[in-house]
Amino acid sequence: SYVLTQPPAVSVAPGKPARITCGGNKIGSESVHWYQQRPGQAPVLVVFDDSDRPSGIPERFSGSKFGKTATLTITRVEAGDEADYYCQLWDTTTDHWVFGGGTKLTVL
Amino acid sequence: QLLESGGSLVQPGGSLRLSCAVSGFTFSDFAMSWVRQAPGKGLEWVSIISGSGATAYYADSVKGRFTISRDNSKNTLSLQMTSLRPEDTAVYYCAKHRRSAPVDDYFDPWGQGTLVTVSS
Repeated sequence: SYVLTQPPAVSVAPGKPARITCGGNKIGSESVHWYQQRPGQAPVLVVFDDSDRPSGIPERFSGSKFGKTATLTITRVEAGDEADYYCQLWDTTTDHWVFGGGTKLTVL
Repeated sequence: QLLESGGSLVQPGGSLRLSCAVSGFTFSDFAMSWVRQAPGKGLEWVSIISGSGATAYYADSVKGRFTISRDNSKNTLSLQMTSLRPEDTAVYYCAKHRRSAPVDDYFDPWGQGTLVTVSS
C-alpha cells in the first residue's frame, strides 16, 4: 500500500519556526492535507489542498510542496502547538485515503 | 457536530456496531468516513461512504468484515464490525468530507471518538 513518510519527532524552541516534512511519490500529483492532534483530542485540520488554511487556523500555519515532499511550517512556535501532526492524501490508484505516520512536535 | 457512540469491550470474533450522530449541516450533501487510531499509534482510514450512500470504499485491513452505512433521514452514520480481532482495538472517529462523492478530499471536522477494545 502507498506510504507517506514523516519524521517521528521534531523539536523547536518557542518563537522559532518548525518544519514538518511529508514524503511520497504521489505528492507531486495529489493534494496534501495536514492535521494537528493534541494529546487526548481529536485531530483538527490545519492545512488543506497543499497550502490553504481553514477559517480559525492562525496564519502561523502554512503548507507548501516541492517535488515529492510536502512541508508544514509553523512560524513563531508556541507552547500550545505541541502536538502530533499528520499529513494525508488520497491514493487515486486504490481509492484509499492515506495518512503519514505522524510527527510529534515538542516545544522546548 | 459529530458524536460517536457504541464503543465497548468485545471478545475476538465478536461484532459491534458504531454510530455517529450528526447535526449542524445537511447530512446527505457530504461523504462521511471512519478513521481509527490504535493506542499510541497513528491515524488509519477505515471506510468512506458517499452522500447518497450508493458508494463505499474500505481499507484492505477491514474489507469483508466491516460495513459502513448511513441513514440520511436520521442524520446517522454507522459502522457494523464483525469478526473483530485484537488489532482492531482503537479509538474510532467519524469525520465529514467537503463533497458528496468519495473522491480526493480531506476530513473536517472530526468527532471525539469512541473506544473499541477487542480482548478476551
